[in-house]
Amino acid sequence: EVQLVESGGGLVQPGGSLRLSCAASGFTFSAYWMSWVRQAPGKGLEWVANIKEDGSEKNYVDSVKGRFTISRDNAKNSLYLVMNSLRAEDTAVYYCVVTSTFWGQGTLVTVSS
Amino acid sequence: SYELTQAPSVSVSPGQTARITCSGDAFPKKYAYWYQQKSGQAPVLVIYEDNKRLSGIPERFSGSNSGTMATLTISGAQVEDEGDYYCSSTDTIDNHWVFGGGTKLTVL
Repeated sequence: EVQLVESGGGLVQPGGSLRLSCAASGFTFSAYWMSWVRQAPGKGLEWVANIKEDGSEKNYVDSVKGRFTISRDNAKNSLYLVMNSLRAEDTAVYYCVVTSTFWGQGTLVTVSS
Repeated sequence: SYELTQAPSVSVSPGQTARITCSGDAFPKKYAYWYQQKSGQAPVLVIYEDNKRLSGIPERFSGSNSGTMATLTISGAQVEDEGDYYCSSTDTIDNHWVFGGGTKLTVL
C-alpha cells in the first residue's frame, strides 16, 4: 500500500524558514517523479514544485522560485521542501504527491506574526 | 501563464448525470487528470490520462478530452460523490503542473 507521510509544518514568522519532509513507502520511490502541491485555507490546489526520479531535474511555480528548494534522498525514500523567506501567502496545507497519482494527508504551514 | 477554467459549482439530483468541464488551450494535446476532494481530506485521483480509472474508482466516473475541453462525467451521481473536483494538466512547459480552480458538486 502506498503511504506518504508529511511532517515539518507549523507556525513561522514572515521571513522565516521551514523544512518539510515526506516519508514514502509501499512503492519504488526512486522510480517516480515526486511533487509538492499546496492548498491555502478555503482555496484550490496549487502545484509548487516537482523533482525527477534521480533529482537531475527540478521545476518550480514562479511564485516560489528562488525561495523554495525541492530535494530527495532515494536511499531514505524521502522527499523534502526547504522554504525560505516565507510570506503570509505561503500559508497552506502542503501535500506530497507521487507522479500525479497518490497524495499524502498534508502538513499545515502557517506564516504569521 | 497557462490556465485551466472550471465552473465554480454544479448541482444534480441523485441518479442524474453530472458533467464537470475544464477548459484549456493545450487540450487535447495534453492529458487531463481529475481529482475528487471531500471536506477535510486529501485529493483522490478519479481519472488519469483523459479517461482511465485506477482500481477502486467506480465505473460511473468517466472522462473525455476533445477540442479545448476536458469533461468529467459521473453517470448516476450519488450523494457520496459530493465534493470538490479539480482538473489538472501540464503546462506548455513540460513537467509544470497546473490545476483548475475547482468545481463544487452538490448531489441532492
